[in-house]
Amino acid sequence: DIVMTQSPDSLAVSLGERATINCKSSQSVLYSSNNKNYLGWYQQKPGQPPKLLIYWASTRESGVPDRFSGSGSGTEFTLTISSLQAEDVALYYCHQYYSTPYSFGQGTKLEIK
Amino acid sequence: EVQLVESGGGLVQPGGSLRLSCAASGFTFSSYAMTWVRQPPGKGLEWVSSIRGSGTSTFYADSVKGRFTISRDNSKNTLYLQMNSLSAEDTALYYCVKEDGDYWSAFDYWGQGTLVSVSS
Repeated sequence: DIVMTQSPDSLAVSLGERATINCKSSQSVLYSSNNKNYLGWYQQKPGQPPKLLIYWASTRESGVPDRFSGSGSGTEFTLTISSLQAEDVALYYCHQYYSTPYSFGQGTKLEIK
Repeated sequence: EVQLVESGGGLVQPGGSLRLSCAASGFTFSSYAMTWVRQPPGKGLEWVSSIRGSGTSTFYADSVKGRFTISRDNSKNTLYLQMNSLSAEDTALYYCVKEDGDYWSAFDYWGQGTLVSVSS
């Protein structure tokens, strides 16, 4: 089973500053035949279901602001918010869909400093 | 517009059963894998089960294998989760999720969830 570990567990960033969340998988989620990383990032605000932000590790979902970006390959990945806005306060989860059992990171709580 | 509407949650005693349903609309239901993800109160996300668009392949987390059964009725655009032998550890908000493809895909649409509480 693939274990997903996020860091940090919580993060406080000033408005307009950069926020960076890391995700590490216990096994590679890069499928060599198509060179795709089976890794997604989700945002969850209080009382709401998660929302897909990034898939294939770096492809932004339609409608997601371009301040959100994903990077990384293999076992190490990063979600970056280039200029934090008040509405970005949320929990963020990484997720591997490379193999079942699918798995999520434990979540990172992002707050305003 | 994609819509996923869960129903069937509620309070059940340990050892009891529940059947969750998810009514889907706004996309070609049979072309996409569907998934159940749960979230215990105040905790993180846990994948529960997935089913391919045709319904011929199903997958389960070890924590529910042998107790839960995922199924779908493509003629009714509805996803199901039959949950038996429930325990307190199954208490959670259960989300119906559409995958962005028929296999190994990100979870692109989520329902609002239905709450399952297992308690005596």
